[in-house]
Amino acid sequence: GESVGLHLPTLSVQEGDNSIINCAYSNSASDYFIWYKQESGKGPQFIIDIRSNMDKRQGQRVTVLLNKTVKHLSLQIAATQPGDSAVYFCAEKGTGRRALTFGSGTRLQVQP
Amino acid sequence: DVKVTQSSRYLVKRTGEKVFLECVQDMDHENMFWYRQDPGLGLRLIYFSYDVKMKEKGDIPEGYSVSREKKERFSLILESASTNQTSMYLCASSLSGQRGYGYTFGSGTRLTVV
Repeated sequence: GESVGLHLPTLSVQEGDNSIINCAYSNSASDYFIWYKQESGKGPQFIIDIRSNMDKRQGQRVTVLLNKTVKHLSLQIAATQPGDSAVYFCAEKGTGRRALTFGSGTRLQVQP
Repeated sequence: DVKVTQSSRYLVKRTGEKVFLECVQDMDHENMFWYRQDPGLGLRLIYFSYDVKMKEKGDIPEGYSVSREKKERFSLILESASTNQTSMYLCASSLSGQRGYGYTFGSGTRLTVV
C-alpha cells in the first residue's frame, strides 16, 4: 500500500550546521510533496513544497530535493538555528487524491 | 490572520461517551480534514470533506463519523469513545483546485479517554 516514511526518528545537529532530513515514499503516482514543521503544542506549519516535475526547490534557508528514481525526498536546512528545533513531516499527494499522506516525522534537535 | 480553530485544547472523556470535536475555519476553504497524530505513526487521515454535506473516509474511519452542515465547520464524532482513541486530533483546511497544498492546521485537541 501507499506509505511515506522517514529514515531517522531523531536528528541532533549543532547550531550553525546544515541539517538534512530524509523521507522515502512508495507511491510512484505521487505528484506533489510538502514539508511541514511542528513545534511543541502547535499544529504543523507549511515549510516548502515541490511538484513531481521538479527535482529541486529553494526557499529561505531551506531546500527540498526530489529524486523520483529512488522515490526519495529530502529537506535541507542551512545554518540551523535553535528555533528550527521541531518535528518535521514530509507529506505526499497521489494523483487524483484530495488528501495528503504524511510520514511518521523526524525530531530535529539543535544543540547550542 | 487566517486560522483554523479547534474548540478544545484538552479533553478527558469516559469510555462509551459520545464525543464531539469541533473545527472552524475562516478562510472559505472548500476542503476540511481530520487527522489523528500518534507517536511514531505520524498523521493518519480519519475523514475529510470537500464540500458542505459531502464526506469521504480516510485511512482509519472506524469508530468515527463526521458532520459538515456549514462550509466553515467540520465536526468529528466519536460514537462511543474507547481508550484506543486517546490521541491528538488535528483539523486542517485547504482550497480546492490547488492539488492539496496549503493545508492550514489547527492547534490540535488532545483527547484522553479513561
